Formats: sequence, C-alpha cells, structure tokens
Amino acid sequence: DAGVTQSPTHLIKTRGQQVTLRCSPISGHKSVSWYQQVLGQGPQFIFQYYEKEERGRGNFPDRFSARQFPNYSSELNVNALLLGDSALYLCASSLVSYNEQFFGPGTRLTVL
Amino acid sequence: KNQVEQSPQSLIILEGKNCTLQCNYTVSPFSNLRWYKQDTGRGPVSLTIMTFSENTKSNGRYTATLDADTKQSSLHITASQLSDSASYICVVREDDKIIFGKGTRLHILP
Repeated sequence: DAGVTQSPTHLIKTRGQQVTLRCSPISGHKSVSWYQQVLGQGPQFIFQYYEKEERGRGNFPDRFSARQFPNYSSELNVNALLLGDSALYLCASSLVSYNEQFFGPGTRLTVL
Repeated sequence: KNQVEQSPQSLIILEGKNCTLQCNYTVSPFSNLRWYKQDTGRGPVSLTIMTFSENTKSNGRYTATLDADTKQSSLHITASQLSDSASYICVVREDDKIIFGKGTRLHILP
C-alpha cells in the first residue's frame, strides 16, 4: 500500500508568485495536516483538515490556505511568496486523530 | 519559548557507540510523546510513542524512556550504525495540539 505522497518534490519560485502543493493521504485516512519545516528547525503546524473541513490552524498569515477534496487529498496554497517561505513542506495523514500521523516525503520550496 | 526542548542540538559519535538524546517538555495536559527520525530532506518517520502511563518503549536498537513527573524523555540508541545519521525529533501532544521540538542532529562517523 502506498504511503503519503506529495507533489512536486522540488519547486523554485520567485517572490510575489503563488504556489500550490499537493498531498495524497494513505488510503483510508481522512485527516491531512500540513507543516512547514525551515532548515535546521522542527516542523511548524500550518493546517489540519478532517472530512474536508478545517479542524486546526497554526500561526501563519492569510497568504497560506488549504483545502481537502472528497477523495481526502489536499492542496496547500501560498500567495505572494516571500523569501522566508523557502522551506520543506510536509504533509501528514492520519485515520481520525493526531495519534497516528504518517508523513510524506515533503516538497522542497525555494523562493528566489 | 518552545514548549519542547531537545538537547544536544547536534551530536557526533563513532559507529558502534551508544548515545542518548534528551527531550524536556512543559506541555500540559500531556497526551503522548513520540520520537521521530528524519533523514535529510525527507519526512519524519515514527520510532516510538508513549502515553502518560508508559515509561519505556523499545524499537530495535532504539529505546525511549519517559518520566511524566519530571516531564523528561530520552531516546537511547545502541550500537550506532552509519544509517542512524539523521535528525531525531521529539513531539508532544497536548489535547488537540502537536508540538515539535527542534530536533537533535546526529552524525555517525565510520
């Protein structure tokens, strides 16, 4: 069975552009969480979605948004990119709660 | 102030040696604590999870301990291998929030 998949693996954008990152959870998992991990730091929570509804939001500006689709896949959108948005973006899926989170390989975003 | 503090920030040891990583937390109420291993540029992979009532959990050469009274956890790696080179992240769950430590970067030298 496939694990959590994310696309693309790497992405280079320039300041002011917009980006969309995609995540497919493990089959049967209904919850998806997004994290931002800056180099040398631990992951920072951005959003959690469960059954297509937002269930949690971290301390990120409104430039960050996300949604979950009927098939439980998810997209993270970031508008008006800043240099500081350069990071590894991780997606994690779980059945119904935080207890069993499985992480994807991440998308490496570089903003020039 | 981060509610989950890990030490040391980085550690270098020779292959075959043992090491212990520390995690102190101030999270309350506490639900569970998990140790993750993260290879460079990859997503974290869970090693162990412990609830309030558990004080030790093993996964092969990895052994985690938890003292809920002092709010301290440790991850002990036995007979280290080159493939153990990675970041080790302590993650504490507080009800509906998950709080990550900054991790300890472990380098294993041949």
